[in-house]
Amino acid sequence: DIQMTQSPSSLSASVGDRVTITCRASQSITNCLSWYQQQPGKAPKVLISAASRLQSGVPSRFSGSGSGTDFTLTISSLQPEDFATYYCQHSLGSPWTFGQGTKVEIK
Amino acid sequence: EVQLVESGGGLVQPGGSLRLSCAASGFTFTTYWMSWVRQAPGKGLEWVANIKEDGSDTYYGDSVKGRFTISRDNAKNSLYLQMNSLRAEDTAVYYCAALGHSSVWFLDYWGQGTLVTVSS
Repeated sequence: DIQMTQSPSSLSASVGDRVTITCRASQSITNCLSWYQQQPGKAPKVLISAASRLQSGVPSRFSGSGSGTDFTLTISSLQPEDFATYYCQHSLGSPWTFGQGTKVEIK
Repeated sequence: EVQLVESGGGLVQPGGSLRLSCAASGFTFTTYWMSWVRQAPGKGLEWVANIKEDGSDTYYGDSVKGRFTISRDNAKNSLYLQMNSLRAEDTAVYYCAALGHSSVWFLDYWGQGTLVTVSS
């Protein structure tokens, strides 16, 4: 099975900060990587698919990059509504796996 | 508006069974692969199972293989998860999701989740 490792597990940041979250796959997953945002008590929401494709309605301050084994999610200017937990997930064959999550907290 | 509404969660004893349902509306259910994803209390997300549009193909996570069965009734726009031989570690919020595809698969639409608690 492909393991997904996110870093950091948590971070504290201020409104307006640039935030970067990384996700590493245990083997190449080409671009079969999605990013999700989960607010407390709510269902996850997809932000990015295919490593870098911004989903409809997602603010342009979110961006994704990478291929193979190393990926990043960047929030260019953190907004109050961005404080949440973020997950990466691969879809290169079964079983699909998620990273352990990165909690973005207010500094 | 896309809606996915899960139901059927509750308290069940270890070794017991439970069947979850997910009612879909606002999109053409018969053209979407569907998934179940779960989240244990205070933990991360875990993919459980996928099913093809017509139900002819299914895939399962290692932790549920042989115990859980995903199915669908396209005439009723409904997705199901039959859970047998339940264990304490199956305690989680269970989400149904519709898959999107943009050269790669992703979990596009999500329900609000239903809580399953396995405890004596």
